[in-house]
Amino acid sequence: DAKTTQPPSMDCAEGRAANLPCNHSTISGNEYVYWYRQIHSQGPQYIIHGLKNNETNEMASLIITEDRKSSTLILPHATLRDTAVYYCIVRVAGGSSNTGKLIFGQGTTLQVKP
Amino acid sequence: NAGVTQTPKFQVLKTGQSMTLQCAQDMNHEYMSWYRQDPGMGLRLIHYSVGAGITDQGEVPNGYNVSRSTTEDFPLRLLSAAPSQTSVYFCASSPSASFTQYFGPGTRLTVL
Repeated sequence: DAKTTQPPSMDCAEGRAANLPCNHSTISGNEYVYWYRQIHSQGPQYIIHGLKNNETNEMASLIITEDRKSSTLILPHATLRDTAVYYCIVRVAGGSSNTGKLIFGQGTTLQVKP
Repeated sequence: NAGVTQTPKFQVLKTGQSMTLQCAQDMNHEYMSWYRQDPGMGLRLIHYSVGAGITDQGEVPNGYNVSRSTTEDFPLRLLSAAPSQTSVYFCASSPSASFTQYFGPGTRLTVL
């Protein structure tokens, strides 16, 4: 599985867009980029995933560079409730040997400030 | 839908005691899994199941047993609790062994 690199922490003003970067320079062609977050003391929460096209859902947007070596998670209007640790995970989706195991690195601690 | 539920929320055990952590989901998901989370170590997969009657080991299975008699339930049994099993335990489910998984709120276990 490709290794991911994220900054350990970031701040964002409430109401502004939060842009969380992730480097995955060794990503393979069949590996997806997944984003999860974990709000303090809660279970991880799935946010979004993508292969090579940009993706958007009700929570966030995912921008993947054309060479797929990096991506950015965008929370368009951050609120205090978005304060959490954000994890970028790269995995091959599906397959008979797929255990579904998620590997969570250290992630980025996002602090949204009033 | 309640999603993924876990009971109890908190538990204190003495060394050598046994107990079962309960996990249930009402989304008809085939795949379920158990993780433990220790400070500074991220989440580690204990056991997983790709459907009723089918279970397999993750990366840290020792000291834990699982069974999957129904699609909805995936209990985790601690056979003889040890202080090293003090952790937060999360159960997750998904429609298949994909990486779009839904996590429960966790069980905080302390073994004295």
